[in-house]
Amino acid sequence: DTEVTQTPKHLVMGMTNKKSLKCEQHMGHRAMYWYKQKAKKPPELMFVYSYEKLSINESVPSRFSPECPNSSLLNLHLHALQPEDSALYLCASSRTGTVNEKLFFGSGTQLSVL
Amino acid sequence: GNSVTQMEGPVTLSEEAFLTINCTYTATGYPSLFWYVQYPGEGLQLLLKATKADDKGSNKGFEATYRKETTSFHLEKGSVQVSDSAVYFCALGFNKFYFGSGTKLNVKP
Repeated sequence: DTEVTQTPKHLVMGMTNKKSLKCEQHMGHRAMYWYKQKAKKPPELMFVYSYEKLSINESVPSRFSPECPNSSLLNLHLHALQPEDSALYLCASSRTGTVNEKLFFGSGTQLSVL
Repeated sequence: GNSVTQMEGPVTLSEEAFLTINCTYTATGYPSLFWYVQYPGEGLQLLLKATKADDKGSNKGFEATYRKETTSFHLEKGSVQVSDSAVYFCALGFNKFYFGSGTKLNVKP
């Protein structure tokens, strides 16, 4: 199994809603990532978990809250988002988190904030 | 700082044409270099990588050589197919991953 699975594929939410994005991998990878990608732009790093500990937070607003319950799962909790937060949210994983490793990406969650 | 600059697109080619997508980088140390491809509605997939100077990465007919003297990692393919139509991202791995802005490739039959 060489897949990173993200759910849901699409999400529409209002600015007062609370929702969560989920990501799962069963490759035994110990690093997991959240990226945000706006249309026609490159992915922007949001968070990195290494061995289930948050190792990088790219100054992301607190309305985005990551969680890594175990080495296979990664969640992104969303609360009080703004319309400008509408984007494709990509989860990725890598074997140990070193920067010469391949990143495995999921297909993403397309988020629309109304 | 660390950054990646790649040629703007879109690049439009006829099937079987030669492809070059330019990528140059700035790094404070000795990075690893990558090309990722993104098909519509999907996440990114690693196409090839090189971890040190003069290494050549290759996959599915695509090649790129890590040139330290010119700080470049240009992507080439000798004969493109319609199925190669996608967005291509050059990326640098140093303390974290840095992605270029992406180049959209359109291949016409």
